[in-house]
Amino acid sequence: RKEVEQDPGPFNVPEGATVAFNCTYSNSASQSFFWYRQDCRKEPKLLMSVYSSGNEDGRFTAQLNRASQYISLLIRDSKLSDSATYLCVVPLIGGATNKLIFGTGTLLAVQP
Amino acid sequence: DVKVTQSSRYLVKRTGEKVFLECVQDMDHENMFWYRQDPGLGLRLIYFSYDVKMKEKGDIPEGYSVSREKKERFSLILESASTNQTSMYLCASSLWGGRNSGGYTFGSGTRLTVV
Repeated sequence: RKEVEQDPGPFNVPEGATVAFNCTYSNSASQSFFWYRQDCRKEPKLLMSVYSSGNEDGRFTAQLNRASQYISLLIRDSKLSDSATYLCVVPLIGGATNKLIFGTGTLLAVQP
Repeated sequence: DVKVTQSSRYLVKRTGEKVFLECVQDMDHENMFWYRQDPGLGLRLIYFSYDVKMKEKGDIPEGYSVSREKKERFSLILESASTNQTSMYLCASSLWGGRNSGGYTFGSGTRLTVV
């Protein structure tokens, strides 16, 4: 099983739709998780952190299911500007520093 | 605004050349990282450093080396560039480990083409 797995998409949704991405991880010891957003030809940027069962920030909700080892990102009322690749990120446990393992990303295209 | 700055946005080099990619951060972060990103493969860790003069191999260190002489600067060196090193290179930095480290801050990337 890969350390982090995501559905690559693309997810094509109309404006105003609600869309959800899932991500599974293999290391059951992982405690904190991140969602990053990456626009085309740009660097990844931190979108949300998830340390417990979930986190909400405006239209974005991240949830964690430790028993099933997956995290999800829910986007409500999608905007054209939400079009991007969303990367699921899991820390690698152990060692002197917080190495992060990145998923390959899920592409979201919001259509007018 | 905190920043990670990569010296070049686009770079074209010839096969066999020695290539230096520079990265500077102004956040006093202990950790710095070099990734390459290729379509379908995502971000792959090349090298990282958790302190000055300290370095550790990532998942794909072959053909690369790094240097960290100062806390704010982390350099990636391609000893003899090859066409399979054509890629987007991303530098990142973060605070020392732990759940509250808040993830990474990335530079804007260097798109390297080796011809």
